[in-house]
Amino acid sequence: QVQLQESGPGLVKPSQTLSLTCTVSGGSINSGTYYWSWIRQHPGKGLEWIGYIYYTGKTHYNASLKSRVSMSLDTSKNQFSLQMSSVTAADTAVYYCARDTVDSVMAPRGMDVWGHGTTVTVSS
Amino acid sequence: QSALAQPASVSGSPGQSITISCIGTSTDIGFSDYVSWYQQHPGEAPKLIISDVSSRPSGVSNRFSGSKSGNTASLTISGLQAEDEADYFCSSYTDSRPLFGGGTKMTVL
Repeated sequence: QVQLQESGPGLVKPSQTLSLTCTVSGGSINSGTYYWSWIRQHPGKGLEWIGYIYYTGKTHYNASLKSRVSMSLDTSKNQFSLQMSSVTAADTAVYYCARDTVDSVMAPRGMDVWGHGTTVTVSS
Repeated sequence: QSALAQPASVSGSPGQSITISCIGTSTDIGFSDYVSWYQQHPGEAPKLIISDVSSRPSGVSNRFSGSKSGNTASLTISGLQAEDEADYFCSSYTDSRPLFGGGTKMTVL
């Protein structure tokens, strides 16, 4: 049974870079069957997709965040990571990592496994 | 403002059925074979309950069903139970990019 676990600082200062890691257990990140995604949820609000990364390193980002976001893989540790630069209070949210299944033409289909989420607060 | 439109809240009594709508456009729900629904209890992560418009993942109750007509997707919960009280989010894709609805708070009266 695949499980995802987010980790990283819970408090980040404004203008600094937010860095989070998602550790995948019970399955390999080195699989062509999934995209590995980051999603966030502002307090009391809906879900916002940040981006995803494929095992080849190919990435796809939300256009509204693209200039500040980068994602990477560490296959040796079975982890993938998110970095978001120049954060402000508006980036305060619960951050989730999730697994998005891929169909035969490489289109994402739905997020079937989620981490528990980690709360990130941007404050000085 | 979310890309997909959901009602902010719905409610029903135990045993009743409710339906939550999710309105998109011809470039997302209307075009995609992939509409998902997620259930989220307070303080927990979202859980996939419907995929591919109407498929239930293993372990999800058959009281949950999904459908799509044109640019609108729907989630129906039949035989409402207290444990169904939660937030529900729809999702689809445009150009391989996930979109989410704003969420619907479902209250069991």
